[in-house]
Amino acid sequence: GAVVSQHPSWVICKSGTSVKIECRSLDFQATTMFWYRQFPKQSLMLMATSNEGSKATYEQGVEKDKFLINHASLTLSTLTVTSAHPEDSSFYICSARPQGSTQYFGPGTRLTVL
Amino acid sequence: GQQLNQSPQSMFIQEGEDVSMNCTSSSIFNTWLWYKQDPGEGPVLLIALYKAGELTSNGRLTAQFGITRKDSFLNISASIPSDVGIYFCAGQSAPGTYKYIFGTGTRLKVLA
Repeated sequence: GAVVSQHPSWVICKSGTSVKIECRSLDFQATTMFWYRQFPKQSLMLMATSNEGSKATYEQGVEKDKFLINHASLTLSTLTVTSAHPEDSSFYICSARPQGSTQYFGPGTRLTVL
Repeated sequence: GQQLNQSPQSMFIQEGEDVSMNCTSSSIFNTWLWYKQDPGEGPVLLIALYKAGELTSNGRLTAQFGITRKDSFLNISASIPSDVGIYFCAGQSAPGTYKYIFGTGTRLKVLA
């Protein structure tokens, strides 16, 4: 139980384009989902907290207009990196939290911006 | 802001040896968690700790929530090659937010 999937697992895009990453909880409902970014050989840094049906809460220093988050259902949250640039290249990981439980993490999406 | 420091940063050990790593913070946490991350994958939960002083085991893994609520350690007994990976501690400080702060990570390499 508590499986979280992400799609795509990797994506390469040109600078200036937008990329959408999906995060799904497959066997549970998640009122809260989280988005993290991880640069090579570094730790996971929380970008934003996504609550179903409401606006996401962004961590300090994360541009909400650049990283658009939508949590339209209890099993799906999306992260759109708008006008991506090479410095946005990173490993993006989502997590989902069943009611009263810990976070379960997705397998991650590797984004490379050329 | 809050930061979790893990030590050691990396370690090489022989198969069969026991491993110990810890995580410290300048702030108090209400929940401590230990995750393992393999290359190119998301973190997988190993152990969750909810009370100061709590000692919890999961197979060959044992973790403790420090009495001061500012630290935690993870022990792995009789290491095997598949224990290779990066181990992260994570702390939840604010009740109800369920936000985690991740530690700096300990990279473990096991020599067969």
